[in-house]
Amino acid sequence: AQKVTQAQTEISVVEKEDVTLDCVYETRDTTYYLFWYKQPPSGELVFLIRRNSFDEQNEISGRYSWNFQKSTSSFNFTITASQVVDSAVYFCALSEAGYGGSQGNLIFGKGTKLSVKP
Amino acid sequence: DTGVSQDPRHKITKRGQNVTFRCDPISEHNRLYWYRQTLGQGPEFLTYFQNEAQLEKSRLLSDRFSAERPKGSFSTLEIQRTEQGDSAMYLCASSLGTGGVGYTEAFFGQGTRLTVV
Repeated sequence: AQKVTQAQTEISVVEKEDVTLDCVYETRDTTYYLFWYKQPPSGELVFLIRRNSFDEQNEISGRYSWNFQKSTSSFNFTITASQVVDSAVYFCALSEAGYGGSQGNLIFGKGTKLSVKP
Repeated sequence: DTGVSQDPRHKITKRGQNVTFRCDPISEHNRLYWYRQTLGQGPEFLTYFQNEAQLEKSRLLSDRFSAERPKGSFSTLEIQRTEQGDSAMYLCASSLGTGGVGYTEAFFGQGTRLTVV
C-alpha cells in the first residue's frame, strides 16, 4: 500500500532559523515520484519539487533543499534562514508511475503547518 | 494563461441539495484531477481524466458524485443529495501527460470550499 507520513503536525520557528520538515513514504513500486507542495492561507497548492525514485541526488534551490534517502524511505525538506513568508502548510506527496491512463494521482501526507515568527 | 481556475470559490448549500463545481485547466494540459481536502488533512484523490476519458475513480467517489470532462477541456464535479460529510475543499489540478511512464507536475487551482448546512 502507498502511504506518506508527515509526523510533524506543526512547527514554530523564529525568523532566520533553519527548519527541516520530515517525510516518510511507503510504496511497493520501484518507479515512483516524490513531491513537496506548499499551501499558503489562500489555499492554492504550490508545486515546489519533484524527484523520481532513480535520482537520489540532493537538490538545493535558493533557501530550499531536499534530502532523498531510499534506504530510509525519506524525502526531507529543509528551509534555511526561514522567513515569515515561508509560513504555510507543507505537503509531501507520492505518485506511482504506471503505463496508460492510471498515472499521476498523488498520495499526500497530512501536512506540516510551519509558522515563522518575526 | 492564468493557471487552473475553479468556480465558485465558496459554496454553501443545504443538506440534500445538488451542487456543481467547474474547473478550467491550463489550456494545453490533457490531464485533469479532482481532489478533496478536509480540515487538517492532505488532499485525497477523487478522479482523473485524460482528455475526455475518465480513467480512474477513487473509492471515495460515491454514487452521489459524478465528474465529466465533455470536450477534454473544462470539467464539472457534481454532488447529488449533499450530506454534511461532503463539506470540504474540492481541488482541481491539471498536468501535461507525455505518454508512457513518466509524470509532469500537476498545477492546482485555488479550490471550491463547500459547506453543507
